[in-house]
Order: sequence, then C-alpha cells, then structure tokens
Amino acid sequence: EVQLVESGGGLVQPGGSLRLSCAASGFTFSSYSMNWVRQAPGKGLEWVSYISSSSSTIYYTDSVKGRFTISRDNAKNALYLQLNSLRDEDTAVYYCAKCGFDVYFDYWGQGSLVTVSS
Amino acid sequence: DIQMTQSPSTLSASVGDRVTITCRASQSINTWLAWYQQKPGKAPKLLIYKASTLESGVPSRFSGSGSGTEFTLTISSLQPDDCATYYCQQHKSYSYTFGQGTKLEIK
Repeated sequence: EVQLVESGGGLVQPGGSLRLSCAASGFTFSSYSMNWVRQAPGKGLEWVSYISSSSSTIYYTDSVKGRFTISRDNAKNALYLQLNSLRDEDTAVYYCAKCGFDVYFDYWGQGSLVTVSS
Repeated sequence: DIQMTQSPSTLSASVGDRVTITCRASQSINTWLAWYQQKPGKAPKLLIYKASTLESGVPSRFSGSGSGTEFTLTISSLQPDDCATYYCQQHKSYSYTFGQGTKLEIK
C-alpha cells in the first residue's frame, strides 16, 4: 500500500523558515517523480514544486522561486521542501504527491499545515 | 502559463441525477487533463487522468471526455458519497495548473 506521510509543519513568523518532510513507502520511491501541492484555507489547490526521480529536473511555481527548495533522498525514501522567507500568503496545507506515468498526482499524503503569522 | 477554468463553481443535484462539470483550458492541452475529488478535511483523490482514463478503483459512474481546450467530468447517477469538491488539472506542461474547483452538493 502506498503511503505518504508529511511532517514539519507549524507556526512561523513572516520571514522565517521551515522544512517539510514526506516519508514514502509501498512503492519504489526512486522510480517516480514527486511534487508538493498546497491549499490555502478555504481555497483551491495550487501546484508548488516538482522533482524528477533522479533530481535532474526541478520546477517551481513562480510565487515561490528563490524562496523554496525541493529535494529528495532516494536512499531514505524521503521528499523535502525547504521554505525560506515565508510570507502570510504561504499559509496553507502542504501535500506531498506522487506522480503517475505523467505529471498528475495518483497518491497524496494527509497534508501538513504551515501557518505564517506574527 | 496555461489557465484552467471550471464551471459551474457550485452545483446542486439530486441522488440519481446525471451531473456534468466542465473544464476549459486557455490553450490546447491535447488530452493531458486529470480530475480529482476532494472531501472536507481530506487529501484530493485522483479520479481520471489523460482526460478519460479511469483510475483503478474509481466507480464506473465517473467518466471523463474532451480534448484540446474543453473537457467534461460526468457522474452518470449521483450518489450521496459524491458530495465533494472536484478539480481539474492540466498535466501537459510546467505550472501543472488546477481549475478553481466545483463544489457539488446533494439536494
């Protein structure tokens, strides 16, 4: 059974940093691209970042470029998102999501809430 | 970036009704479109990818169609468990944009 479990969310002040982790199990992690998708309170879904299976290709949505960094450790079956220079508008539930054969998301974690507030 | 627009934003229907949700892309995405169902407090669930391919385990009352810029998600006979918000997402190219969502309510 595929499982994705996020951790690392919490309350942080504007300008602060946080690191999200996603522990993957139940599939060959090193063979699949992975993503982070977020959802602000009461709002829709927003794709944030993509990383290919070997980390050779990485994409970010424009609003987080230069502030967020996606990475993975295939030996540990783990996906990460480093969030720096956080803004109020980054407040959201952050989901770890596995790619299917293309960049759609066939499995999702339960989400990790990041709240940016002073 | 490719923009995705769903209609309607909210929809109210009765059990047994045939329900259709539309998603339009700002440029052609061929058939690179996915549909998701999200219930309150839960992660989204993949229903359909590549416009019409049903994900394993998804009930056959769900179907998808379309190509180019116009797509539809159809529920052939609405069930109480289908009360949720539905999102389309283009998987043709970077920015992998979602539609704004359609909230489906049961009358």
